[in-house]
Amino acid sequence: DTGVSQDPRHKITKRGQNVTFRCDPISEHNRLYWYRQTLGQGPEFLTYFQNEAQLEKSRLLSDRFSAERPKGSFSTLEIQRTEQGDSAMYLCASSRDSYSPLHFGNGTRLTVT
Amino acid sequence: AQKITQTQPGMFVQEKEAVTLDCTYDTSDQSYGLFWYKQPSSGEMIFLIYQGSYDEQNATEGRYSLNFQKARKSANLVISASQLGDSAMYFCAMREDLIQGAQKLVFGQGTRLTINP
Repeated sequence: DTGVSQDPRHKITKRGQNVTFRCDPISEHNRLYWYRQTLGQGPEFLTYFQNEAQLEKSRLLSDRFSAERPKGSFSTLEIQRTEQGDSAMYLCASSRDSYSPLHFGNGTRLTVT
Repeated sequence: AQKITQTQPGMFVQEKEAVTLDCTYDTSDQSYGLFWYKQPSSGEMIFLIYQGSYDEQNATEGRYSLNFQKARKSANLVISASQLGDSAMYFCAMREDLIQGAQKLVFGQGTRLTINP
């Protein structure tokens, strides 16, 4: 069990640029989640994959955000035309099934200048 | 409406003392789950303990126990014999309905625990 891995750990970008983050879940976990955490708050749900299918998206996920999990293994989260309000920690989590606890990665901290 | 309330923004405790972190929740569902996570300064959310709404026994995991009082809608985390490494943010979270199998956790605002030597 190598844990959930996220890359990069930190990303600084200028407003208007596109960014992409990667998440590698625990290998036997077919459920994958993206959460966003702003300073001083708890994480908020963004989206959910079961294998390669994206089954649930939050209203927080505007059309500038897109997530994929092409082969049911790793996932990417892309933000287009970044805005300063996108600055946050983006956390990926995975679970074995719908009732097992979510295991989170270290997160990607995005700063939009 | 806020569904998870953690009323203690910060707690300071002497090493080796027990500490209780408060969490109250609001739901109309009969089936739900309650979680506690620890977030050190490194940023990773570390799963600590889980309590299902139908579990009759309070959950325990090593030094962590969950004081589940269903009628009061509270799920307090108790850490026995605190250690310096316990210093971190602690989040209470609730899972409600599973929509298409998704565990959409709702988190509280967290409690920053500091253990003093």
